[in-house]
Amino acid sequence: DAGVIQSPRHEVTEMGQEVTLRCKPISGHNSLFWYRQTMMRGLELLIYFNNNVPIDDSGMPEDRFSAKMPNASFSTLKIQPSEPRDSAVYFCASSRLAGDHEQFFGPGTRLTVL
Amino acid sequence: GQQLNQSPQSMFIQEGEDVSMNCTSSSIFNTWLWYKQEPGEGPVLLIALYKAGELTSNGRLTAQFGITRKDSFLNISASIPSDVGIYFCAGPKEDSGYALNFGKGTSLLVTP
Repeated sequence: DAGVIQSPRHEVTEMGQEVTLRCKPISGHNSLFWYRQTMMRGLELLIYFNNNVPIDDSGMPEDRFSAKMPNASFSTLKIQPSEPRDSAVYFCASSRLAGDHEQFFGPGTRLTVL
Repeated sequence: GQQLNQSPQSMFIQEGEDVSMNCTSSSIFNTWLWYKQEPGEGPVLLIALYKAGELTSNGRLTAQFGITRKDSFLNISASIPSDVGIYFCAGPKEDSGYALNFGKGTSLLVTP
């Protein structure tokens, strides 16, 4: 079975550019999570969706970040405009049911903003 | 609060040695999860614990849910080089049915 799929795996962009990260959760999973990982702050939850609906976006750093889940098999995280401090590894994770704490992570997108 | 504190921060051991690491919190957790992250990859779920006192094994890995519900332990027996990685504990946020708190991780290096 395919796990969580993320693209791209690496992204290098210049400050001010728009960045779009993509995620395909495990088929049949109803909850989707976006995390950011940095050395300083570790793994931080940005936003999560249940049945394609955003439940909690309190972890989104600021208005430059937005996330969508148009259907059960696809989600995007967009940063516009990007800044150097956004450089991090961004992970998408999914879980089978609401309240199921066993989350399965994708391989991540390493974002570098110059 | 719900901060998860992992110790040790890092470990450097020889192949064949047993490893023990722990995770503590000042808050009670009803679920404890242990993840392993290898370089360039996402965290992989190793073990999930759901009941105080529970002891669960996954191959050479054994994890325990502390009786106080404020701590958990992960042991690795007879370590091998592929055990290298960062081990994270995690537990559900108290104000959320879905989101997890993660510890800062224990970095494990194994020399042949």
